[in-house]
Amino acid sequence: GNSVTQMEGPVTLSEEAFLTINCTYTATGYPSLFWYVQYPGEGLQLLLKATKADDKGSNKGFEATYRKETTSFHLEKGSVQVSDSAVYFCALNSYSGGGADGLTFGKGTHLIIQP
Amino acid sequence: DAGVIQSPRHEVTEMGQEVTLRCKPISGHNSLFWYRQTMMRGLELLIYFNNNVPIDDSGMPEDRFSAKMPNASFSTLKIQPSEPRDSAVYFCASTVTGGNYGYTFGSGTRLTVV
Repeated sequence: GNSVTQMEGPVTLSEEAFLTINCTYTATGYPSLFWYVQYPGEGLQLLLKATKADDKGSNKGFEATYRKETTSFHLEKGSVQVSDSAVYFCALNSYSGGGADGLTFGKGTHLIIQP
Repeated sequence: DAGVIQSPRHEVTEMGQEVTLRCKPISGHNSLFWYRQTMMRGLELLIYFNNNVPIDDSGMPEDRFSAKMPNASFSTLKIQPSEPRDSAVYFCASTVTGGNYGYTFGSGTRLTVV
């Protein structure tokens, strides 16, 4: 079956530091990959996505590249801000029979940015 | 676009009571998902619908849980009877089947069973 493994947190960084959150996956076929962000008390928001190998998703300064050879989709940002403090979820989905199968999530990485 | 709308935002109920959570997906989306989030288990997919038809309910923890989608614009998740271990945040999400648009999540319902 499908699974997603994320580095465990919390990850604590200083403002303007470089961020990497690792994500690896196991899936059948050719899944699409996503990063979601959850701010306190809110639902999950799509941050970025990639649908095929070597695709790079980017948004709000965050980037992640779909690496099929290493089954990875690491999230990076060059200079983090206090407002980036949140929980980040790596996820994948796959389709069968023409229908959506539901996202499989990692356990989430709590990111804390200190001023 | 109002997004995925869930109600209520918070629900506190006594053990043994029936609880009904509601979700209105984004208009035009034809796949709907119910997730549960807890500290211990993270995000769990409970059930999902394609074109109002339940496709996979293997994530539903027990027979006390049931979900319906009577039409394209409304779904319910019911717990009867509720137990303290059902306390969690329940999210609804929707998407367009066959696309890679990502799923849009509602703000969730925080359920507390005392």
